[in-house]
Order: sequence, then C-alpha cells, then structure tokens
Amino acid sequence: DVKVTQSSRYLVKRTGEKVFLECVQDMDHENMFWYRQDPGLGLRLIYFSYDVKMKEKGDIPEGYSVSREKKERFSLILESASTNQTSMYLCASSFGQGREFFGPGTRLTVL
Amino acid sequence: QKEVEQNSGPLSVPEGAIASLNCTYSDRGSQSFFWYRQYSGKSPELIMFIYSNGDKEDGRFTAQLNKASQYVSLLIRDSQPSDSATYLCAVNRYFNAGKSTFGDGTTLTVKP
Repeated sequence: DVKVTQSSRYLVKRTGEKVFLECVQDMDHENMFWYRQDPGLGLRLIYFSYDVKMKEKGDIPEGYSVSREKKERFSLILESASTNQTSMYLCASSFGQGREFFGPGTRLTVL
Repeated sequence: QKEVEQNSGPLSVPEGAIASLNCTYSDRGSQSFFWYRQYSGKSPELIMFIYSNGDKEDGRFTAQLNKASQYVSLLIRDSQPSDSATYLCAVNRYFNAGKSTFGDGTTLTVKP
C-alpha cells in the first residue's frame, strides 16, 4: 500500500514564525503536491513537484515556498506565518495516470 | 465559471437507494477523471478513475464519462450509511502527468 506521511497532525504557531511542513512518501512517486483545504473553498493547490528539485506553482502559491531535495520528501514552508494561513494542509503523491494518494493532513493554527 | 463543477448538495438518500453524483468540467482537452471520497476529518481517498467514454464499474460504484458533454458521474448502488461522505471529482489534462483540478465536492448522507 502507498503510504504518505506528514510530520504533524496538529500544529500551533505564532504570527511571523517560519513554519515547515514535511511530507514523505514511500512508493517512489514522481509527483508530489501540497494543498490546503478550507470550508467552502474546497481543495486548493499550493505547489506541486514533478521531480527532485523541480517545482511548479499551483493556484495559491503566495506566502509559501517548497523544497524537494529527495524524491520521497516534499516540504512546504511558510516564510512568515499569518492568521489567514490557518488551514488544513494536505500532501499527496502520484505515479503515472494522475491517481493521487493523500497523507493524513496537518491542521495548522496560526495565532 | 469553475473548471470543475459539482452539485453543491448536500445529497440525502435512504439506505439501499442509488446515489447519483454529478460533475461537469470546462477543459475539453481533459483526459483522466477521478472520484475521491473524503470522510469528515479525514483526507481524500481515491475510489474510482476513468479514462474512456462509457461506464466503469467497481463493486457498488459506477463511474460514467461523456467527453462530448464534458460530464462525469458517480453512481453508488445499494447505498449504505458508511457511504456518507464528501465526494470530490477531479479532472486531469493528461494521462500520466501533471496536476488534477478538483471540484468543491458533494456531501452525501445515507439515512438508515
């Protein structure tokens, strides 16, 4: 079975802090994704990566950056956390044919 | 117009009935189509995918695709209370790469 893990299930940070969210997949998938999910706004893509060190902006990249130094690991960075970044963050990975496998999510609260 | 639109719901059906979930998409070049199920408080889980026009069946689930009408649907036969969840439709321009675009989801409640 594909396993996608995320570093934290719940995280509380202060405004202005730098926040790192880590995602690891164990199935040698090429593609990895970071989404945020908010009530009424659905699932929105922040960034995705199709190979090591390769990344592409999604629909809402502002305020975020990503890093993919190894194939299995994709990190999301909030350079200076703000309250409007309070959300559920979901990581996913996929092999060919676009089928995505999601991690359990990180619920981030920024105070 | 959103790229992927789903019935906003919520949709409520009695146990044992057929639940029909609908999705339309705007990109005529879309090649692959997915249905994800998301239980409350959990992450989405892929339950069906379809690439060709017509029907694809897997147990109680049937995905239907009509590219000419830019329409994809999910039928759940003999609905069970355990099917109560939000169902997300996703559409991808490619067969084997790139990102999918997700609809906002339809929440289904199956009443015993």
